[in-house]
Amino acid sequence: EAQVTQNPRYLITVTGKKLTVTCSQNMNHEYMSWYRQDPGLGLRQIYYSMNVEVTDKGDVPEGYKVSRKEKRNFPLILESPSPNQTSLYFCASHPGRGASTDTQYFGPGTRLTVL
Amino acid sequence: QQQVKQSPQSLIVQKGGIPIINCAYENTAFDYFPWYQQFPGKGPALLIAIRPDVSEKKEGRFTISFNKSAKQFSLHIMDSQPGDSATYFCAASTASNFGNEKLTFGTGTRLTIIP
Repeated sequence: EAQVTQNPRYLITVTGKKLTVTCSQNMNHEYMSWYRQDPGLGLRQIYYSMNVEVTDKGDVPEGYKVSRKEKRNFPLILESPSPNQTSLYFCASHPGRGASTDTQYFGPGTRLTVL
Repeated sequence: QQQVKQSPQSLIVQKGGIPIINCAYENTAFDYFPWYQQFPGKGPALLIAIRPDVSEKKEGRFTISFNKSAKQFSLHIMDSQPGDSATYFCAASTASNFGNEKLTFGTGTRLTIIP
């Protein structure tokens, strides 16, 4: 089954304690990205990656890092989380322009609370 | 700057009615307009999408109407059912984004279909 998986699904942490949210896709997609979802704001892109070792900032990258060492994995790293990073996070993958479909697939989400 | 404006924020419709959700965009470079459906605890899932070369697209009970000159598009759900109760997001993207398949989302509409 084609899917995007994220772990953990729920996380409560404290300010300043480094954490990583993992994301993996099994569709051999070149493009992956991270979004955060906040009430009244919709989803906003944090970082994206067009391929292995190619990453770039989205609209709200402050306080986040990413890496793309393998095509299937795209972890989101919060080196020093702060309460304003409390949010619902989604990983997404896309086959890239020129593919037969423009569908972007989303993971199930990670609800993060930073105290 | 909210590049995609969505309304209404919430909508309650009786079963069998036709909920309509509207979106307006600013960036004339947008060339792909998907609608995503999100159930509680799940990630957004593509429902239907349209490109600006057509004014309407229908898939099952879901129809997108697109008005390029007004920079507006809307989702209509025919014969709505309680199972359609979810949050709906409109979105837009452009090929002119240097390989970033970023989706710019509206703020979402929480739809409730009452029996």
